[in-house]
Amino acid sequence: TQLLEQSPQFLSIQEGENLTVYCNSSSVFSSLQWYRQEPGEGPVLLVTVVTGGEVKKLKRLTFQFGDARKDSSLHITAAQPGDTGLYLCAGEKVRDNDMRFGAGTRLTVKP
Amino acid sequence: GAGVSQSPRYKVAKRGQDVALRCDPISGHVSLFWYQQALGQGPEFLTYFQNEAQLDKSGLPSDRFFAERPEGSVSTLKIQRTQQEDSAVYLCASSLRGLYYGYTFGSGTRLTVV
Repeated sequence: TQLLEQSPQFLSIQEGENLTVYCNSSSVFSSLQWYRQEPGEGPVLLVTVVTGGEVKKLKRLTFQFGDARKDSSLHITAAQPGDTGLYLCAGEKVRDNDMRFGAGTRLTVKP
Repeated sequence: GAGVSQSPRYKVAKRGQDVALRCDPISGHVSLFWYQQALGQGPEFLTYFQNEAQLDKSGLPSDRFFAERPEGSVSTLKIQRTQQEDSAVYLCASSLRGLYYGYTFGSGTRLTVV
Protein backbone atom coordinates (compact mmCIF):
# COMPACT_ATOMS: atom_id res chain seq x y z
CA THR A 1 0.00 0.00 0.00
CA GLN A 2 1.36 3.39 -1.04
CA LEU A 3 1.73 5.95 1.70
CA LEU A 4 0.74 8.61 -0.84
CA GLU A 5 -2.01 7.89 -3.35
CA GLN A 6 -1.92 9.87 -6.56
CA SER A 7 -4.82 10.26 -8.97
CA PRO A 8 -5.44 9.95 -11.77
CA GLN A 9 -2.74 7.48 -12.68
CA PHE A 10 -2.86 8.51 -16.35
CA LEU A 11 -4.18 11.70 -17.94
CA SER A 12 -4.25 12.59 -21.64
CA ILE A 13 -5.54 16.01 -22.63
CA GLN A 14 -5.42 18.49 -25.49
CA GLU A 15 -3.22 21.54 -25.48
CA GLY A 16 -4.96 24.48 -23.81
CA GLU A 17 -7.05 22.43 -21.37
CA ASN A 18 -6.86 22.74 -17.61
CA LEU A 19 -6.19 19.82 -15.28
CA THR A 20 -5.82 18.92 -11.63
CA VAL A 21 -3.94 15.98 -10.14
CA TYR A 22 -4.25 14.86 -6.57
CA CYS A 23 -2.04 13.44 -3.87
CA ASN A 24 -3.77 11.97 -0.83
CA SER A 25 -2.75 10.21 2.35
CA SER A 26 -4.08 9.25 5.75
CA SER A 27 -0.79 10.44 7.25
CA VAL A 28 0.19 13.94 8.28
CA PHE A 29 3.27 15.39 6.60
CA SER A 30 5.60 18.07 7.85
CA SER A 31 6.11 19.08 4.22
CA LEU A 32 5.30 17.86 0.77
CA GLN A 33 7.01 18.26 -2.57
CA TRP A 34 5.97 17.95 -6.21
CA TYR A 35 8.38 16.72 -8.83
CA ARG A 36 8.27 16.29 -12.59
CA GLN A 37 10.19 13.47 -14.20
CA GLU A 38 10.98 12.95 -17.86
CA PRO A 39 12.06 9.62 -19.36
CA GLY A 40 15.65 8.70 -18.59
CA GLU A 41 16.08 11.43 -16.03
CA GLY A 42 15.71 11.83 -12.28
CA PRO A 43 12.77 13.77 -10.79
CA VAL A 44 13.14 17.55 -10.80
CA LEU A 45 11.73 19.53 -7.89
CA LEU A 46 8.85 21.89 -8.74
CA VAL A 47 7.74 23.12 -5.34
CA THR A 48 7.82 22.47 -1.59
CA VAL A 49 4.75 23.23 0.55
CA VAL A 50 5.04 23.38 4.29
CA THR A 51 2.06 25.11 5.88
CA GLY A 52 -1.44 23.64 5.97
CA GLY A 53 -3.67 25.51 3.51
CA GLU A 54 -0.67 26.92 1.68
CA VAL A 55 -1.05 27.80 -2.00
CA LYS A 56 1.93 28.35 -4.26
CA LYS A 57 1.92 29.44 -7.88
CA LEU A 58 4.61 28.75 -10.41
CA LYS A 59 3.60 30.35 -13.73
CA ARG A 60 0.70 28.15 -14.95
CA LEU A 61 1.05 25.67 -12.07
CA THR A 62 -0.83 26.09 -8.78
CA PHE A 63 0.00 23.88 -5.82
CA GLN A 64 -2.12 23.55 -2.72
CA PHE A 65 -1.39 21.82 0.59
CA GLY A 66 -4.45 20.62 2.49
CA ASP A 67 -5.39 22.26 5.78
CA ALA A 68 -4.66 19.05 7.66
CA ARG A 69 -1.38 18.51 5.77
CA LYS A 70 -2.52 15.12 4.53
CA ASP A 71 -3.17 15.93 0.90
CA SER A 72 -2.14 18.20 -1.94
CA SER A 73 -3.19 19.13 -5.44
CA LEU A 74 -1.49 20.42 -8.55
CA HIS A 75 -3.51 22.45 -11.03
CA ILE A 76 -2.18 23.29 -14.48
CA THR A 77 -3.83 26.03 -16.51
CA ALA A 78 -3.73 26.00 -20.31
CA ALA A 79 -1.57 22.88 -20.55
CA GLN A 80 1.15 22.76 -23.17
CA PRO A 81 2.91 19.77 -24.77
CA GLY A 82 6.00 20.70 -22.77
CA ASP A 83 4.08 19.85 -19.59
CA THR A 84 4.08 16.18 -20.60
CA GLY A 85 5.77 14.02 -17.98
CA LEU A 86 5.39 12.02 -14.80
CA TYR A 87 4.25 14.17 -11.88
CA LEU A 88 5.25 12.84 -8.48
CA CYS A 89 4.35 13.98 -5.00
CA ALA A 90 6.63 13.19 -2.08
CA GLY A 91 6.06 13.72 1.60
CA GLU A 92 8.18 13.93 4.71
CA LYS A 93 6.28 12.61 7.72
CA VAL A 94 6.25 14.49 10.95
CA ARG A 95 9.28 13.62 13.09
CA ASP A 96 10.77 11.54 10.27
CA ASN A 97 13.43 12.86 8.02
CA ASP A 98 12.95 10.62 5.00
CA MET A 99 10.85 11.22 1.94
CA ARG A 100 8.33 8.85 0.37
CA PHE A 101 6.84 9.13 -3.11
CA GLY A 102 3.47 8.45 -4.63
CA ALA A 103 3.25 6.31 -7.76
CA GLY A 104 2.82 9.38 -9.95
CA THR A 105 0.44 10.78 -12.55
CA ARG A 106 1.56 10.36 -16.13
CA LEU A 107 0.39 13.40 -18.07
CA THR A 108 0.32 13.61 -21.86
CA VAL A 109 -0.58 16.91 -23.50
CA LYS A 110 -1.38 16.55 -27.19
CA PRO A 111 -0.74 19.45 -29.57
CA GLY B 1 30.20 19.06 -9.10
CA ALA B 2 27.07 21.05 -9.78
CA GLY B 3 24.71 18.11 -9.56
CA VAL B 4 24.31 14.59 -8.27
CA SER B 5 26.34 12.17 -10.35
CA GLN B 6 25.53 8.48 -10.64
CA SER B 7 27.58 5.78 -12.30
CA PRO B 8 27.36 3.69 -14.28
CA ARG B 9 24.46 5.11 -16.27
CA TYR B 10 23.52 1.65 -17.50
CA LYS B 11 24.46 -1.76 -16.14
CA VAL B 12 23.63 -5.17 -17.52
CA ALA B 13 24.31 -8.00 -15.09
CA LYS B 14 23.94 -11.71 -15.43
CA ARG B 15 21.70 -13.29 -12.84
CA GLY B 16 23.75 -14.13 -9.76
CA GLN B 17 26.37 -11.44 -10.41
CA ASP B 18 27.19 -8.79 -7.80
CA VAL B 19 26.88 -5.12 -8.78
CA ALA B 20 27.94 -1.82 -7.21
CA LEU B 21 26.23 1.45 -8.03
CA ARG B 22 27.89 4.73 -7.17
CA CYS B 23 26.43 8.08 -6.15
CA ASP B 24 28.41 11.33 -5.92
CA PRO B 25 26.18 13.83 -4.09
CA ILE B 26 26.46 17.59 -4.26
CA SER B 27 29.42 18.66 -2.14
CA GLY B 28 28.37 19.51 1.41
CA HIS B 29 25.00 17.81 1.20
CA VAL B 30 24.27 16.04 4.46
CA SER B 31 21.32 13.86 3.47
CA LEU B 32 21.54 11.13 0.85
CA PHE B 33 18.77 8.82 -0.33
CA TRP B 34 18.59 5.76 -2.54
CA TYR B 35 15.39 4.90 -4.40
CA GLN B 36 14.37 2.08 -6.71
CA GLN B 37 12.06 2.93 -9.59
CA ALA B 38 10.36 0.25 -11.62
CA LEU B 39 9.13 1.08 -15.12
CA GLY B 40 6.08 3.33 -14.98
CA GLN B 41 6.12 3.59 -11.19
CA GLY B 42 7.12 6.18 -8.65
CA PRO B 43 10.41 5.85 -6.78
CA GLU B 44 10.36 3.43 -3.86
CA PHE B 45 12.43 4.32 -0.83
CA LEU B 46 15.42 2.07 -0.14
CA THR B 47 17.64 3.77 2.40
CA TYR B 48 18.68 7.11 3.87
CA PHE B 49 21.95 8.52 5.20
CA GLN B 50 22.69 11.58 7.22
CA ASN B 51 26.41 12.09 6.79
CA GLU B 52 27.93 8.64 7.24
CA ALA B 53 25.13 7.33 9.44
CA GLN B 54 22.54 5.10 7.81
CA LEU B 55 19.42 6.25 9.65
CA ASP B 56 16.85 4.17 7.82
CA LYS B 57 17.33 1.04 5.74
CA SER B 58 13.79 -0.24 6.04
CA GLY B 59 13.20 -0.08 2.30
CA LEU B 60 15.99 -2.45 1.30
CA PRO B 61 14.14 -5.42 -0.29
CA SER B 62 16.40 -8.16 1.06
CA ASP B 63 19.72 -8.82 2.71
CA ARG B 64 21.23 -8.94 -0.78
CA PHE B 65 21.05 -5.15 -0.80
CA PHE B 66 23.65 -3.16 1.08
CA ALA B 67 24.45 0.56 1.08
CA GLU B 68 27.31 2.49 2.57
CA ARG B 69 28.57 6.05 2.82
CA PRO B 70 31.77 5.64 4.83
CA GLU B 71 33.05 9.22 4.71
CA GLY B 72 29.75 11.01 4.51
CA SER B 73 30.06 11.90 0.85
CA VAL B 74 30.13 9.25 -1.90
CA SER B 75 27.70 6.39 -1.43
CA THR B 76 27.64 2.91 -2.93
CA LEU B 77 24.63 0.65 -3.28
CA LYS B 78 25.65 -2.97 -3.62
CA ILE B 79 23.41 -5.76 -4.77
CA GLN B 80 24.65 -9.30 -4.30
CA ARG B 81 23.54 -12.30 -6.37
CA THR B 82 21.31 -10.16 -8.58
CA GLN B 83 17.90 -11.48 -9.57
CA GLN B 84 15.68 -10.49 -12.48
CA GLU B 85 13.31 -8.66 -10.14
CA ASP B 86 16.18 -6.33 -9.24
CA SER B 87 15.95 -4.81 -12.73
CA ALA B 88 14.99 -1.16 -12.25
CA VAL B 89 16.36 2.35 -12.23
CA TYR B 90 18.23 3.16 -9.05
CA LEU B 91 18.03 6.84 -8.15
CA CYS B 92 20.18 8.76 -5.71
CA ALA B 93 19.19 12.11 -4.22
CA SER B 94 20.98 14.49 -1.89
CA SER B 95 19.98 17.47 0.18
CA LEU B 96 21.77 20.12 2.17
CA ARG B 97 19.93 19.00 5.26
CA GLY B 98 16.32 17.97 4.86
CA LEU B 99 13.16 18.27 2.84
CA TYR B 100 12.83 21.99 3.45
CA TYR B 101 16.00 22.59 1.46
CA GLY B 102 14.90 20.50 -1.50
CA TYR B 103 16.36 17.34 -2.92
CA THR B 104 18.45 17.04 -6.06
CA PHE B 105 18.30 13.76 -7.93
CA GLY B 106 20.84 12.13 -10.15
CA SER B 107 19.84 10.71 -13.53
CA GLY B 108 19.89 7.19 -12.13
CA THR B 109 21.49 3.87 -12.98
CA ARG B 110 19.39 1.57 -15.11
CA LEU B 111 20.11 -1.99 -14.01
CA THR B 112 19.03 -4.86 -16.23
CA VAL B 113 19.50 -8.38 -14.93
CA VAL B 114 19.50 -11.03 -17.65
